[in-house]
Amino acid sequence: SQTIHQWPATLVQPVGSPLSLECTVEGTSNPNLYWYRQAAGRGLQLLFYSVGIGQISSEVPQNLSASRPQDRQFILSSKKLLLSDSGFYLCAWSVWGNTEAFFGQGTRLTVV
Amino acid sequence: KNQVEQSPQSLIILEGKNCTLQCNYTVSPFSNLRWYKQDTGRGPVSLTIMTFSENTKSNGRYTATLDADTKQSSLHITASQLSDSASYICVVSAGTGGSYIPTFGRGTSLIVHP
Repeated sequence: SQTIHQWPATLVQPVGSPLSLECTVEGTSNPNLYWYRQAAGRGLQLLFYSVGIGQISSEVPQNLSASRPQDRQFILSSKKLLLSDSGFYLCAWSVWGNTEAFFGQGTRLTVV
Repeated sequence: KNQVEQSPQSLIILEGKNCTLQCNYTVSPFSNLRWYKQDTGRGPVSLTIMTFSENTKSNGRYTATLDADTKQSSLHITASQLSDSASYICVVSAGTGGSYIPTFGRGTSLIVHP
């Protein structure tokens, strides 16, 4: 069966510090991978999606970047965090031709 | 620009009562519409999926409807339970040929009181 792992579950980082959130998927090959952010009281905002290794599409300009060094690994990064980067970050995957997305447990990021 | 609007933003009901959540969308080319349930601090989980030709689909106490002409969908919850307290998110996927980009609504926060 397929599983998705996302860590850490919670993170408190000072303004200006770097960020690295990792997401891995098991049990499937060549998944579509997504990073979403959910700010308090807001909906899910698509940040990045990837249809293959090294292929990253950005939905909104921001202080974040994403990379896909391996088929089932998706990393969200920042060189210098801003207060506005605080939020709930969710990694998700889907397969080609199927719109159902399967989500990780999320990372609660607080920038102080 | 693809958009999904949900209403109400939040809803409080008593256990055992019914409720209906609304979703309006402007997404092109329309592929399908899903309703997700997101428990607090967790990732969303899909409840139902509806394609262009489907008007109604049920999943237990959840019944989703779709009017592709007016671009509206609703999620009806029957005989609510305390465990129904969650955020319900309408997601409309656009695209063809196997490549789909989902657009998420902001969700309706449902609180069921005993």
